[in-house]
Amino acid sequence: NAGVMQNPRHLVRRRGQEARLRCSPMKGHSHVYWYRQLPEEGLKFMVYLQKENIIDESGMPKERFSAEFPKEGPSILRIQQVVRGDSAAYFCASSPFGQIPWDNEQFFGPGTRLTVL
Amino acid sequence: SQELEQSPQSLIVQEGKNLTINCTSSKTLYGLYWYKQKYGEGLIFLMMLQKGGEEKSHEKITAKLDEKKQQSSLHITASQPSHAGIYLCGADQIQGAQKLVFGQGTRLTINP
Repeated sequence: NAGVMQNPRHLVRRRGQEARLRCSPMKGHSHVYWYRQLPEEGLKFMVYLQKENIIDESGMPKERFSAEFPKEGPSILRIQQVVRGDSAAYFCASSPFGQIPWDNEQFFGPGTRLTVL
Repeated sequence: SQELEQSPQSLIVQEGKNLTINCTSSKTLYGLYWYKQKYGEGLIFLMMLQKGGEEKSHEKITAKLDEKKQQSSLHITASQPSHAGIYLCGADQIQGAQKLVFGQGTRLTINP
């Protein structure tokens, strides 16, 4: 039973380019969460999605960032016109029921490390 | 101010020694999670605590939740090199909100 998959593991972009990060949740999980870990900082919540719905995007920057979780396929975190400050590790987590804390651990993927040159 | 404070920020212990990492919340905890992260890798789920006074153990790692103090502790007995890494506490501070708030992490080094 594969865990949460993220790709690519490493992504290098030049300023102004677009970055697309993908997350495939664990089998049977329909809830996806994106977190960002900036250098020397803790993990920060960005967005919580269910299939075809954004439930909570209170942690997403107001501009350039968007996320989706289509009916088919992985969840995508998209960053347009990247800047150096976007360099970070982006982690995706998934859970089966979305009812924290009732037996609903969030399982994390290995992360995508984005470097903006 | 940080909503979840971990202490210490870093810890170096001799192999075989016991150690404790603390996590204190400024808000009521509805669920407290402990994860371990190795450099360049994802987070490995260790334990989840929900009820005040709850205590869970897995191998040589024990975690407790003191709901009254809004604090959790992670205790490792007879530490081994495999315990080295960054330990993160995460908490659900809004009931049913589905988003975890994390502490800054504690970097643990085990000296042989």
